Amino acid sequence: QLHLQESGSGLVKPSQTLSLTCDVSGGSISSGGSSWNWIRQPPGRGLEWIGYIYYSGGTYFNPSLKSRVIISIDKSKNQFSLNLTSVTAADTAVYYCARARGGGRIDHWGQGSLVTVSS
Amino acid sequence: DIQMTQSPSTLSASVGDRVTVTCRASQSFSTWLAWYQQKPGKAPKLLIYRASSLESGVPSRFSGSGSGTEFTLTISSLQPDDFATYYCQQYDTYPWTFGQGTKVEIK
Repeated sequence: QLHLQESGSGLVKPSQTLSLTCDVSGGSISSGGSSWNWIRQPPGRGLEWIGYIYYSGGTYFNPSLKSRVIISIDKSKNQFSLNLTSVTAADTAVYYCARARGGGRIDHWGQGSLVTVSS
Repeated sequence: DIQMTQSPSTLSASVGDRVTVTCRASQSFSTWLAWYQQKPGKAPKLLIYRASSLESGVPSRFSGSGSGTEFTLTISSLQPDDFATYYCQQYDTYPWTFGQGTKVEIK
């Protein structure tokens, strides 16, 4: 069974960079047909898709965040990462890593990692 | 961006009720739509994809339908485990977007 687990800093200062890593177990991150995604959810609010990366390195980002987002993949470690630069309080959210297949249905999610932006 | 609007925002229902949640899109697309269930403090869980395909392991009381700009999620007989928040998501056009959620509460 595929398992995803986020890790990273839970507290980030304004203007700094948020960094999270997603460890994938129970399956290969290099499997075809899968995109590896980041999605966030501010406290008490809805879901926002941030972007994805394929094992080939191809990426696609939400235009609303594109200028601040970097998603990378490390196939040797079976993990992928999110960097979000120049954060503000509006970036405070639970960040989920997730796998999507079949064009975009998100069938496996990590448990989520709360990141708070505060000085 | 395609805006997804769910209705109602909150729904009060009893065990055994038939429940319908609607998701309307700001522009038409085919059937690239998914439904998720989320419980407090947990990640969303995929229920339905391609508008009407049931994800493996999901009870058959859940069903989805629709195309174009209107989609529905139906729970044929609400069970205690179904009280949760439900989200639709379109994956027809980038960026993928979600509805704002429908909370199903105990009446």
